[in-house]
Amino acid sequence: AQSVSQHNHHVILSEAASLELGCNYSYGGTVNLFWYVQYPGQHLQLLLKYFSGDPLVKGIKGFEAEFIKSKFSFNLRKPSVQWSDTAEYFCAVNAYSGAGSYQLTFGKGTKLSVIP
Amino acid sequence: DAGVIQSPRHEVTEMGQEVTLRCKPISGHDYLFWYRQTMMRGLELLIYFNNNVPIDDSGMPEDRFSAKMPNASFSTLKIQPSEPRDSAVYFCASTRGGNQPQHFGDGTRLSIL
Repeated sequence: AQSVSQHNHHVILSEAASLELGCNYSYGGTVNLFWYVQYPGQHLQLLLKYFSGDPLVKGIKGFEAEFIKSKFSFNLRKPSVQWSDTAEYFCAVNAYSGAGSYQLTFGKGTKLSVIP
Repeated sequence: DAGVIQSPRHEVTEMGQEVTLRCKPISGHDYLFWYRQTMMRGLELLIYFNNNVPIDDSGMPEDRFSAKMPNASFSTLKIQPSEPRDSAVYFCASTRGGNQPQHFGDGTRLSIL
């Protein structure tokens, strides 16, 4: 079974600091990769996705992620965070599990707190 | 696009009562997912449907939980009887195609006293 690991449970940064959230997955086949964001009291929203092509993916609000196949990683980055980026971030991996079925697995999430 | 619609937004009830959560997926989406989110366990997939048919219910915690999708525009998640440990936020999500990003509803915050 596939699994997704997010290395940090809680990250605290000051505004304008750079951000990198780690995500590693275990699955040997073709995957689609996602980062979702959940602002306080809200539902999960898609931040960015990777299906194929350029491994550096740009998403909304200045976020980007790089897929490194050899490391099974899909880390999320932002050069300069803002207070409004305070949220929980989830990495997710979608893998084809046969017979037309896909299995989407979420990481445990990383809480980001940005201090003004 | 109205988005995924869940009801109720909040539910508070006493243990032993039956609880029914409702979800209307985005029109045209053929996959529907039910998740449970708690501080301790994070986001857990309970069950998902493809074209109204349950595909994987291995995440359903026990027989007290059941889910149905009688048609393409409606699904329910039922807990009977409810217990305090069922308290969580329950999310419904839908997508067009199994490998596409999921669209989440606003969730139902369930508190069992």
